Amino acid sequence: GNSVTQMEGPVTLSEEAFLTINCTYTATGYPSLFWYVQYPGEGLQLLLKATKADDKGSNKGFEATYRKETTSFHLEKGSVQVSDSAVYFCALSTGGSNYKLTFGKGTLLTVNP
Amino acid sequence: NAGVTQTPKFQVLKTGQSMTLQCAQDMNHEYMSWYRQDPGMGLRLIHYSVGAGITDQGEVPNGYNVSRSTTEDFPLRLLSAAPSQTSVYFCASSYSHRHEAFFGQGTRLTVV
Repeated sequence: GNSVTQMEGPVTLSEEAFLTINCTYTATGYPSLFWYVQYPGEGLQLLLKATKADDKGSNKGFEATYRKETTSFHLEKGSVQVSDSAVYFCALSTGGSNYKLTFGKGTLLTVNP
Repeated sequence: NAGVTQTPKFQVLKTGQSMTLQCAQDMNHEYMSWYRQDPGMGLRLIHYSVGAGITDQGEVPNGYNVSRSTTEDFPLRLLSAAPSQTSVYFCASSYSHRHEAFFGQGTRLTVV
């Protein structure tokens, strides 16, 4: 079945540091890949996505590239801010009658001033 | 545009009680899902639906029932609540597997 493995953390960084959160996946067919973010006390919201190999998703300074050869979708940001403190989830979905959205366990990021 | 609406936001149940968590979306999405979120476990899929009249089990379906009589609504029923069902529950909907899923604000359930 489908699965997502991501760096569990927690990750603690100083403001303006570089961020990488690793994510690898196992899936049949051609999944779509997502990063979701959850701020304290809230539901999940989409951060970025990529739907085919070599696509790069980007939003709010975050980037991730769909690497089919390494089955990876690592999240990066060049300079984090205190407001980026949240839990980040890597996810994949497969479609048709077998639609499922599968999540990694989440990575708690804390950014200190 | 309301998006995905979950009710209630908080609930305390006694062991053995039953209840229904409500989920409604107004985006005409075919795909809807229920997840539970527990510390250190991420989000685990309980049940999902790819359209009205079609439901299937996810990773952790035991103790939960669902039905999908309309495109808009996807209620989750706890038949006989147990302390192990204490969790935060999220409902989500999506247009397709290539599109983002929209999440409700969650229901925090405590079973005592």
